[in-house]
Amino acid sequence: QSVLTQPPSVSAAPGQKVTISCSGSSSNIGNNYVSWYQQLPGTAPKLLISENNKRPSGIPDRFSGSKSGTSATLGITGLQTGDEADYYCATWDSSLSAEVFGGGTKVTVL
Amino acid sequence: QVQLVQSGAEVKKPGASVKVSCKASGYTFTTYGISWLRQAPGQGLEWMGWISGYNGNTNYAQNFQGRVTMTTDTSTRTAYVELRSLRSDDTAVYYCARDPGVARGVILDYWGQGTLVTVSS
Repeated sequence: QSVLTQPPSVSAAPGQKVTISCSGSSSNIGNNYVSWYQQLPGTAPKLLISENNKRPSGIPDRFSGSKSGTSATLGITGLQTGDEADYYCATWDSSLSAEVFGGGTKVTVL
Repeated sequence: QVQLVQSGAEVKKPGASVKVSCKASGYTFTTYGISWLRQAPGQGLEWMGWISGYNGNTNYAQNFQGRVTMTTDTSTRTAYVELRSLRSDDTAVYYCARDPGVARGVILDYWGQGTLVTVSS
């Protein structure tokens, strides 16, 4: 059972937008920064968003992050077939003194 | 460019130990830490712990306390994770990731390619 809660799957047609939610508590998301990772099939995860909404160099602006209270959201606009992957949220949990992850969300492009 | 290159796949028997390495290049090793994570087949990511590249301080996840040891060798820019008393449910891909260990957040900005550890009798 993951500390952070994500929907198992989301889907949309090419060109459309999807949002992935990540729900936590005051000991993790509520008081710490959230990051997001993309894991393409058979590969290592890749950092997409850090510190709630910062995109590393090379990450297209189709990917965006936001946080409100104890929840965070990853948005993907202009969906492409290459975006089919698993997406994970992560943050620090002050009560556990540990890095915690969501269970992952599979994005399917219809 | 920053690279983390991990050691090759391992097959171990239950009760044995495994040690996975992660060799860093392209950045100053001592200015970042390394987190170790694992991913069981078809499952999500699980954080195992973090080690400072500067002074070797560690922070282990509660699930692995007493069974895991993380070390670094700054002369070779290599981080290691050793897991003991292996069980079948330790079968997973093990990843290292560069982690500055920032307060209040998680930034795993570069990852190794992963090392498959299979535990089977």
